[in-house]
Amino acid sequence: AQSVTQPDIHITVSEGASLELRCNYSYGATPYLFWYVQSPGQGLQLLLKYFSGDTLVQGIKGFEAEFKRSQSSFNLRKPSVHWSDAAEYFCAVGPNQGGKLIFGQGTELSVKP
Amino acid sequence: DVKVTQSSRYLVKRTGEKVFLECVQDMDHENMFWYRQDPGLGLRLIYFSYDVKMKEKGDIPEGYSVSREKKERFSLILESASTNQTSMYLCASSFAGLNQPQHFGDGTRLSIL
Repeated sequence: AQSVTQPDIHITVSEGASLELRCNYSYGATPYLFWYVQSPGQGLQLLLKYFSGDTLVQGIKGFEAEFKRSQSSFNLRKPSVHWSDAAEYFCAVGPNQGGKLIFGQGTELSVKP
Repeated sequence: DVKVTQSSRYLVKRTGEKVFLECVQDMDHENMFWYRQDPGLGLRLIYFSYDVKMKEKGDIPEGYSVSREKKERFSLILESASTNQTSMYLCASSFAGLNQPQHFGDGTRLSIL
């Protein structure tokens, strides 16, 4: 069965430190992978997506993610975190019928001054 | 920019009421989705639609129905609201095609008293 696991429910990092959020997926074929961010009280905003080609993908707000097929992972990284990055982050995998995505449970990021 | 608009940010209803949540998108997207979001459970798909008057059950359709009479509008209906339907509801839309990202509205926080 298709699934997405985000092992970390909550992560706290200091402002200026590097960040890595983990995402592991289970999918029978070549997956399409997405990272979304949700600021408090808002909907989800697309950060980046991977379909094929270069396994290192650049997104908005200085984020990047690396697809590792051998590890079934698609981890999100940022070299230097800003206080405004505090939010919840969701990893998602597709494709499925009708354009459905399977979402992970989310990782909440807190940023210490 | 894609705009997905949910009719209410906050809504308070009473047990047993029939509740309508409205969602409108302005990008001529074929696919539309309704999710509910609860702490620790991530996003769970309630219903989705890939065309006008078409609908498919998601993972948790019980207690809900939907309506899509026009391409741009997708309504979620709680036939007889119950307290366990208190949640954040998110609407999303996307183009047809397996690699299309979903675009989200800002959500409706629904409280059933």
